[in-house]
Amino acid sequence: GENVEQHPSTLSVQEGDSAVIKCTYSDSASNYFPWYKQELGKGPQLIIDIRSNVGEKKDQRIAVTLNKTAKHFSLHITETQPEDSAVYFCAASSPGGSYIPTFGRGTSLIVHP
Amino acid sequence: SQTIHQWPATLVQPVGSPLSLECTVEGTSNPNLYWYRQAAGRGLQLLFYSVGIGQISSEVPQNLSASRPQDRQFILSSKKLLLSDSGFYLCAWTPGQGFFEQFFGPGTRLTVL
Repeated sequence: GENVEQHPSTLSVQEGDSAVIKCTYSDSASNYFPWYKQELGKGPQLIIDIRSNVGEKKDQRIAVTLNKTAKHFSLHITETQPEDSAVYFCAASSPGGSYIPTFGRGTSLIVHP
Repeated sequence: SQTIHQWPATLVQPVGSPLSLECTVEGTSNPNLYWYRQAAGRGLQLLFYSVGIGQISSEVPQNLSASRPQDRQFILSSKKLLLSDSGFYLCAWTPGQGFFEQFFGPGTRLTVL
């Protein structure tokens, strides 16, 4: 089955800095890679996703990049703000896995004002 | 638009008592439905998923069961709760066959004493 590794487990930055979270996956058939943001006491919220036919996708201050050859993808947050503080999860899914995502273990992002 | 509801939001139960958590989705038909548990430490563990009424797949052996009595209703149950059943329970849905995006509910915080 699929295995997703996520790093770092904790990331602390100053407001205005950039933050990068990296994930690797094992199943070369995986073709969909979502990122979720989970605030304390709430359910995860889908913030951006990328499919295997695209190398990069941007949405305002967040972007995701995908390297299919190396089987890794990353979340980039620019000009971080305190409200970006949350736990972020990456995931990978494939048709062979019935599109059920395999999640990384999460990254706790702390943005200091 | 589609919305997902979970109740109760918080629950404190004694060991050995029964459990029933409910999840409903509005604004869609024939969704795939999922139950996850999130213990302290952030990881998301898939417990059950369902692709249709009465169709339940279990991912891990455990003290819990799931049922889908209606198209947009998913119930998580236990006959006798254990201390280890404590956690944050999340329901999620996807639009169905061939769709990737998975959306989470607000979650239920269960504490077993």
